[in-house]
Amino acid sequence: DAGVTQSPTHLIKTRGQQVTLRCSPKSGHDTVSWYQQALGQGPQFIFQYYEEEERQRGNFPDRFSGHQFPNYSSELNVNALLLGDSALYLCASSHGGAETQYFGPGTRLLVL
Amino acid sequence: SQQGEEDPQALSIQEGENATMNCSYKTSINNLQWYRQNSGRGLVHLILIRSNEREKHSGRLRVTLDTSKKSSSLLITASRAADTASYFCATDGKGDNYGQNFVFGPGTRLSVLP
Repeated sequence: DAGVTQSPTHLIKTRGQQVTLRCSPKSGHDTVSWYQQALGQGPQFIFQYYEEEERQRGNFPDRFSGHQFPNYSSELNVNALLLGDSALYLCASSHGGAETQYFGPGTRLLVL
Repeated sequence: SQQGEEDPQALSIQEGENATMNCSYKTSINNLQWYRQNSGRGLVHLILIRSNEREKHSGRLRVTLDTSKKSSSLLITASRAADTASYFCATDGKGDNYGQNFVFGPGTRLSVLP
C-alpha cells in the first residue's frame, strides 16, 4: 500500500518563474493538505482540498493556488516566485474528517 | 503566528537517557498531535491526544496534556540513536468544522549520542 508520494523531490527555479508540485494521496484518502516548511521552522498550512474544492486556506498570497483531481491527487502552483518561497513543500493526506494526516517526503524548492 | 511552541529548541542526550520535550499553545483545541521529522524529510505521526485526555502511552512514548495550562509534554524513554530527529507538536483548533488545519510549532531538535 503506497503512502503519500510527491514529485519532484528537488527543484531549482529563478525569481519570477512559476512552479507546479504534485502529490498523490495515500490509498483510500480523499483529502489533501499542503504545507510550506522553511529551514529550521515548523510546517505552515497553505490550503486543503476535498472533493476537488479548496476547503480551507492559510495565510498565503494568491500566488499560491492548487487543484485536486477526481482521483484525489493534487497540485500546488506558485506563480511569480520569490526568494522567500525557497522551502520544503509537504503534502499530507487524510480520509474525510479523520484526525491524523499522513505526510509525503516533500519537495525541496530552491529559488535563485 | 504559530500556535504551538516547543521547548527546548534543541536537546542533546546520551543513548539510554530519557528525553522530554514541551509544547505550549494559545487557543482551545480539539486535539494535539506529535510528529517526528528526520533530516528535513516528511513528518511521521507519533501520537494523538484529545482535549479530554490527560495522558497517553505508545511504546516508549508518553504524552501528557494540561488544557488549563495549554501545554503538552512528550517523553521518550530509553532513547536510541535512531530517535535523533526534530519533534513537532501540532494543534487542531477547536471550532474548526473540518479539524484538519494543523498549526505546528517550530520544533525541538533532539540529538541522541551513542
